[in-house]
Amino acid sequence: NAGVTQTPKFQVLKTGQSMTLQCAQDMNHNSMYWYRQDPGMGLRLIYYSASEGTTDKGEVPNGYNVSRLNKREFSLRLESAAPSQTSVYFCASRGGRVGGTEAFFGQGTRLTVV
Amino acid sequence: TQLLEQSPQFLSIQEGENLTVYCNSSSVFSSLQWYRQEPGEGPVLLVTVVTGGEVKKLKRLTFQFGDARKDSSLHITAAQPGDTGLYLCAGSTVGSGNTGKLIFGQGTTLQVKP
Repeated sequence: NAGVTQTPKFQVLKTGQSMTLQCAQDMNHNSMYWYRQDPGMGLRLIYYSASEGTTDKGEVPNGYNVSRLNKREFSLRLESAAPSQTSVYFCASRGGRVGGTEAFFGQGTRLTVV
Repeated sequence: TQLLEQSPQFLSIQEGENLTVYCNSSSVFSSLQWYRQEPGEGPVLLVTVVTGGEVKKLKRLTFQFGDARKDSSLHITAAQPGDTGLYLCAGSTVGSGNTGKLIFGQGTTLQVKP
């Protein structure tokens, strides 16, 4: 039972490089989320998708774009990485017969921008 | 400014002591959740409260949702070293159902010393 799978687990980027973080869930959940976690800041919502085909900005969307490719997959793209985007990124999903309101999280992606 | 304010942000206590963590907001939430996160892992749900004034117990943990659904507390009785971790509250805004925006507080890092 995979749950929520994020790739990659670790990444080092140079300032200005681009990359896409991938997330997939196998629980048939309607909603998917991208968060970043920095020390002392808890989890801050970047973007979310309440259902397939829709996306909305969260608390800290600047510098990021997302794509809800289908019901299973929700990707996060950094077009031009900046050191301020050094963080741990978590993908989550919820909403459906599996878990109800509970959010299920991936293992996280530790991103360093130098 | 985060929508959900948690306090304290850090707590270091001796085994056997009691503690309370608070989660406050000026906004009304349709439901409030508490998660626990271990190092290197994603958060895992402890409890969901949905009714104003609701109290839920999970062994030595007691969760309360404020009457106005703007705040919540987590009380741990006789803390044990195994309770060590990051505790996060999370709220779903009114009207978002169980698939909309999910906002987290800054988190409370709890350290229980033997």
